[in-house]
Amino acid sequence: DQQVKQNSPSLSVQEGRISILNCDYTNSMFDYFLWYKKYPAEGPTFLISISSIKDKNEDGRFTVFLNKSAKHLSLHIVPSQPGDSAVYFCAASPILTGGGNKLTFGTGTQLKVEL
Amino acid sequence: DGGITQSPKYLFRKEGQNVTLSCEQNLNHDAMYWYRQDPGQGLRLIYYSQIVNDFQKGDIAEGYSVSREKKESFPLTVTSAQKNPTAFYLCASSISGGANEKLFFGSGTQLSVL
Repeated sequence: DQQVKQNSPSLSVQEGRISILNCDYTNSMFDYFLWYKKYPAEGPTFLISISSIKDKNEDGRFTVFLNKSAKHLSLHIVPSQPGDSAVYFCAASPILTGGGNKLTFGTGTQLKVEL
Repeated sequence: DGGITQSPKYLFRKEGQNVTLSCEQNLNHDAMYWYRQDPGQGLRLIYYSQIVNDFQKGDIAEGYSVSREKKESFPLTVTSAQKNPTAFYLCASSISGGANEKLFFGSGTQLSVL
């Protein structure tokens, strides 16, 4: 049962345009959401996060939007740059894990930013 | 330079063999984790530890074992009981293991079966 879904395995965008990566979740106990970026043969690096008390969080070119009623979040990258080409993972965490940080990851979206 | 070091980068396992993946961190984090990544799948939690000499199973612990004898180190052993060990293994850490912490990842170990 995939509780965090990234339905688009890949996305191709032209340099300078907006990239929009989507993520849906099914567990209503999730209240903290993160995006990680991963280059080939490297570990993921944290990009941006949002808690359920907010509907938007912005950090430079990266903005994450959260729609709790739809159980949907999206990552916007504006403007997109070739260095943004990577796999982006959405992750979610419940309010109380009962011990330990148990993030649930999506399957990832491969973003390719073309010149 | 603080971070997480995983070794080796590539590892090959023969049939019936146990292999151990190393993970060391100098971030002074209490919590450490092991994830497995398969192509087209999200990261899945194998084991995690919030304190020395204590660890808990994650979602896919069968065929794996860990130890946490030192705060800095969290080695993962892939035993012969793990029938499908080929995957990319990621070690991570966080400050205390709290619910809303971000993880810091190592660069991973690719394990393949000969």
